[in-house]
Amino acid sequence: DAGVTQSPTHLIKTRGQQVTLRCSPKSGHDTVSWYQQALGQGPQFIFQYYEEEERQRGNFPDRFSGHQFPNYSSELNVNALLLGDSALYLCASSFPLSYEQYFGPGTRLTVT
Amino acid sequence: GENVEQHPSTLSVQEGDSAVIKCTYSDSASNYFPWYKQELGKRPQLIIDIRSNVGEKKDQRIAVTLNKTAKHFSLHITETQPEDSAVYFCAARGYRGSYIPTFGRGTSLIVHP
Repeated sequence: DAGVTQSPTHLIKTRGQQVTLRCSPKSGHDTVSWYQQALGQGPQFIFQYYEEEERQRGNFPDRFSGHQFPNYSSELNVNALLLGDSALYLCASSFPLSYEQYFGPGTRLTVT
Repeated sequence: GENVEQHPSTLSVQEGDSAVIKCTYSDSASNYFPWYKQELGKRPQLIIDIRSNVGEKKDQRIAVTLNKTAKHFSLHITETQPEDSAVYFCAARGYRGSYIPTFGRGTSLIVHP
């Protein structure tokens, strides 16, 4: 039973560029949430996708956008990258309306 | 929105000692309180959780207590081992159209052999 997977593992981008991160949920899960974890901080909620729709959004600018595909996998897109976007980006999956969620290994994004 | 405070930020103990990490939350509507363990370079892993209708839950060496009146909850680890060394995050989660948790800033637990 595959857990949550994310790609790529690491990524280095330049300010102003755009980036796409990918996530495949745990088998049987159809809800995907994205988090940003800055160094030394707890994960901060970005948004959640269910049935290919953004269901809820945290306090992040419109530069952060996402998508969910019919197979429940998801993408996180960040435009016009800033140095402050450097962080570990975590994807978590769950059943709808479920309390428990399972995290992927994350993508380490470095913006130079 | 919800605000979660977590203390201490760093906790250093000797192997075999107990460790206690405390969190407070602001939103009385929060009803689910998970704890995650994150080892260096790895994903957060759920280690124990508690719901608002329960005051205490135990799983081997790990226990969590919840005081809804005071809006605080704690993680207790007994007989600590070096492999317990990690960053621990608490979170509080309530229903806002969907279940979205707010995380504390984490506690770095160091267990010295």
